Amino acid sequence: NAGVTQTPKFQVLKTGQSMTLQCAQDMNHEYMSWYRQDPGMGLRLIHYSVGAGITDQGEVPNGYNVSRSTTEDFPLRLLSAAPSQTSVYFCASSRQGSFTEAFFGQGTRLTVV
Amino acid sequence: GENVEQHPSTLSVQEGDSAVIKCTYSDSASNYFPWYKQELGKRPQLIIDIRSNVGEKKDQRIAVTLNKTAKHFSLHITETQPEDSAVYFCAASRTSTSYGKLTFGQGTILTVHP
Repeated sequence: NAGVTQTPKFQVLKTGQSMTLQCAQDMNHEYMSWYRQDPGMGLRLIHYSVGAGITDQGEVPNGYNVSRSTTEDFPLRLLSAAPSQTSVYFCASSRQGSFTEAFFGQGTRLTVV
Repeated sequence: GENVEQHPSTLSVQEGDSAVIKCTYSDSASNYFPWYKQELGKRPQLIIDIRSNVGEKKDQRIAVTLNKTAKHFSLHITETQPEDSAVYFCAASRTSTSYGKLTFGQGTILTVHP
């Protein structure tokens, strides 16, 4: 199993550009989430999904869209990139149920100039 | 919503010493408290977790304690080694409604000097 795979690993965008961060998992996990990691702020939840066709907002959703058409994939879209979105983005997945481990992708380092 | 505070933000110890990282949480209904280790440039990985019906859990050199009354939990690493150097994150969730979501602390950069 590859686990959780994110692409790309690095990306530089100009202000106003749009892009999609890809996330795929091969563990048949129902739950998937996107976090952003900024220095001194830990990981903050952007959006999450409890299954195909169901998504909801997390703590910092502004400027981001998500969709979940399949169990495996959970892409994160930046509609119009801003310098404040410079961050490291992590996708995570976990099994349905209580007390289940969250597995993280390797991260995408995004710089918006 | 849940709020998790983590201290200290940086911790420097000599090899062989113990290290303690503390977290407090605000939601008294939170019942799951995992700890993640993130090595430089890598993904966070679960190292230990504790449920609210347990006061302490150990796994070799690491242990976690939970005080539900005070709403705080701590990570203890004994006999530290240079490979323990990493960023450590605590997290909390109310599993009945979290749907896999976690609220993380701000992180602690642990440096173990040989």
